[in-house]
Amino acid sequence: EIVLTQSPGTLSLSPGERATLSCRASQSVSSTYLAWYQQKPGQAPRLLIYGASSRATGIPDRFSGSGSGTDFTLTISRLEPEDFAVYYCQQYGDSPYTFGQGTKVEIK
Amino acid sequence: EVQLVESGGGLVRPGGSLRLSCAASGFTFSDYSMNWVRQAPGKGLEWVSSISSSSIYIFYADSVKGRFTISRDNAKNSLYLQMNSLRGEDTAVYYCASGGFLEWSDYWGQGALVTVSS
Repeated sequence: EIVLTQSPGTLSLSPGERATLSCRASQSVSSTYLAWYQQKPGQAPRLLIYGASSRATGIPDRFSGSGSGTDFTLTISRLEPEDFAVYYCQQYGDSPYTFGQGTKVEIK
Repeated sequence: EVQLVESGGGLVRPGGSLRLSCAASGFTFSDYSMNWVRQAPGKGLEWVSSISSSSIYIFYADSVKGRFTISRDNAKNSLYLQMNSLRGEDTAVYYCASGGFLEWSDYWGQGALVTVSS
């Protein structure tokens, strides 16, 4: 089983600042089958990034993904008020399709 | 508009059974692999099970293997999760989502709450 470890657990930032979220895998993720999701309280997750770096339809370009192998990053270039949420990475290349434990981005 | 609508959640006693359904619309359901993902209260996301578009391939998390059964009916654009021998730790919101088998989850339902308690 591929274990995904996200860091930090909580990120306290102000609107307009840059957010950098990390997702580290216990073994290499096959062919960058790595996605990022955003979840707000009481809502279903929303796909942001797939294939480690491809933005999903309708996702603003302030969201970007990078990385390969075992180290992946989600960057939000300038935080907007609606970006404060919990973010999860997930690998969908090898069953079980594990999620990271999440990073909460909160308003400082 | 893409819609995934879960139903069948509720309160069940430990050891009991429940069947979740997910009705899909707005996309070609039979072209997509599908997942069940759950989220315990105040916790993160946990992948539960995936089924390929033609039901040939099925995977389960170890935590539900032997107790849960995923299935689909492409003619009815529906996904199912039969849950038996339920435990307190199965209490969660269960989401129906597209994806699995090298596909990301771009479509999600709003979730169905399952509470296992005596």
